[in-house]
Amino acid sequence: DARVTQTPRHKVTEMGQEVTMRCQPILGHNTVFWYRQTMMQGLELLAYFRNRAPLDDSGMPKDRFSAEMPDATLATLKIQPSEPRDSAVYFCASGLGDRGLYQPQHFGDGTRLSIL
Amino acid sequence: SQKIEQNSEALNIQEGKTATLTCNYTNYSPAYLQWYRQDPGRGPVFLLLIRENEKEKRKERLKVTFDTTLKQSLFHITASQPADSATYLCALLNTGFQKLVFGTGTRLLVSP
Repeated sequence: DARVTQTPRHKVTEMGQEVTMRCQPILGHNTVFWYRQTMMQGLELLAYFRNRAPLDDSGMPKDRFSAEMPDATLATLKIQPSEPRDSAVYFCASGLGDRGLYQPQHFGDGTRLSIL
Repeated sequence: SQKIEQNSEALNIQEGKTATLTCNYTNYSPAYLQWYRQDPGRGPVFLLLIRENEKEKRKERLKVTFDTTLKQSLFHITASQPADSATYLCALLNTGFQKLVFGTGTRLLVSP
C-alpha cells in the first residue's frame, strides 16, 4: 500500500531551536496538507499545497512557521524559533485531483514534537 | 460561532452490538462530510464520504447518515468487534471554503 512518510517520528528540542519536519506524499498525489493535532484543539489545518503551489497558509503563525515543497516528492514544515506551545503532533496528508479537497486525504503517522 | 461537536466521552459497547457515533455542526453549510478512524500513535485513516444531497452511505459494516436539517451526521458500526476500538473523527468541507474542518473525535471501546 502506498503511504505518506513523515520524518522524524519524534523530536524533542529546547525552545528557540529550529525544527524541520519532512513529508513524502504518495507518488502522484498533487495536494499536500499540514495539520497540527493537540488534545485541546484537535486537528487544525496549517497549510496546503496543490501542484507544489501554496494555496492557503492562514492557519500557520507566519512569524515562526514556514512550509515549502521543494519538489513533488518532498514537503517541509519549519518552525524557527520554536516555543513550548508548539508541542503537538504534526501530520502531513496528501490527496489526488484538481478538486483535491473533495477526495479522501491520506495521512502519515505524524511527527510528535516536544519543545522544552 | 462555527462548531463541530463530537461526544468527548468514550463510548463503551459490547462486541456484537451496533456502535453509533454522533457529529453535530453549527453555522456550517457543508458540501460533504467525511469520517476517519485514528488509532493511537497513527494518522487518521479515511473511512467514508457522504455528500450534502445524500442521506445515507454504506460500506461493509459501516453506515453514515447525513441530515442537513438537523445538522447532524451519524456513524454506525454494526456487529462491532474489539478491533473497531479507536477514535473516530468527522470532518466537513464548508460550501464556499476550501478547508476540511475536523471534529475532536470520539473514542470507541468495544469489549469482548
